[in-house]
Amino acid sequence: EAGVTQFPSHSVIEKGQTVTLRCDPISGHDNLYWYRRVMGKEIKFLLHFVKESKQDESGMPNNRFLAERTGGTYSTLKVQPAELEDSGVYFCASSRRGTSPYNEQFFGPGTRLTVL
Amino acid sequence: DAKTTQPPSMDCAEGRAANLPCNHSTISGNEYVYWYRQIHSQGPQYIIHGLKNNETNEMASLIITEDRKSSTLILPHATLRDTAVYYCIVRERSNDYKLSFGAGTTVTVRA
Repeated sequence: EAGVTQFPSHSVIEKGQTVTLRCDPISGHDNLYWYRRVMGKEIKFLLHFVKESKQDESGMPNNRFLAERTGGTYSTLKVQPAELEDSGVYFCASSRRGTSPYNEQFFGPGTRLTVL
Repeated sequence: DAKTTQPPSMDCAEGRAANLPCNHSTISGNEYVYWYRQIHSQGPQYIIHGLKNNETNEMASLIITEDRKSSTLILPHATLRDTAVYYCIVRERSNDYKLSFGAGTTVTVRA
């Protein structure tokens, strides 16, 4: 079973530019999450999709961030325009839905974003 | 916000057991204790979870005190590959979302 994949692994952009991060969850996982760790800080939740619907986007820092999950498969996270404080590692995770006792979240390797 | 307290760091000798403590004195009856770890340059990885009984899997054991206010993750035979940041997380099982990571414990396994 393939794990959660993220693309790109690294991205270096200049302030004011746009960047789009992609996440492919484990096949069949309805739940998809985005987290990030900015420099020196703890890993923070950004938002949660159930299939194509946003279940919780309380962690999204501001309206420069837009997440989508069209068709309930892969997800994208767009940052427009990027600011210096957006630099960090963005993690995607997925989990099954339902009453399984093993509904842990499986994380991807992350995308390291550097805004210059 | 994290509801747990962990020591910032600890060292462990390779081949020995590593005992990682976690305090969660405000845990409520429907909240589970989860442990994740993050090995450098990788995403967080699930280790184990429990409610009130001790749990064991192929990776670790979880010992939860009777009052549930603290727990200990045990790595029975630590290897160099177990060097990572370990996170103790309290969450409701019914809410299948939002892991709240704290600062965790940086565990260094030394040869």
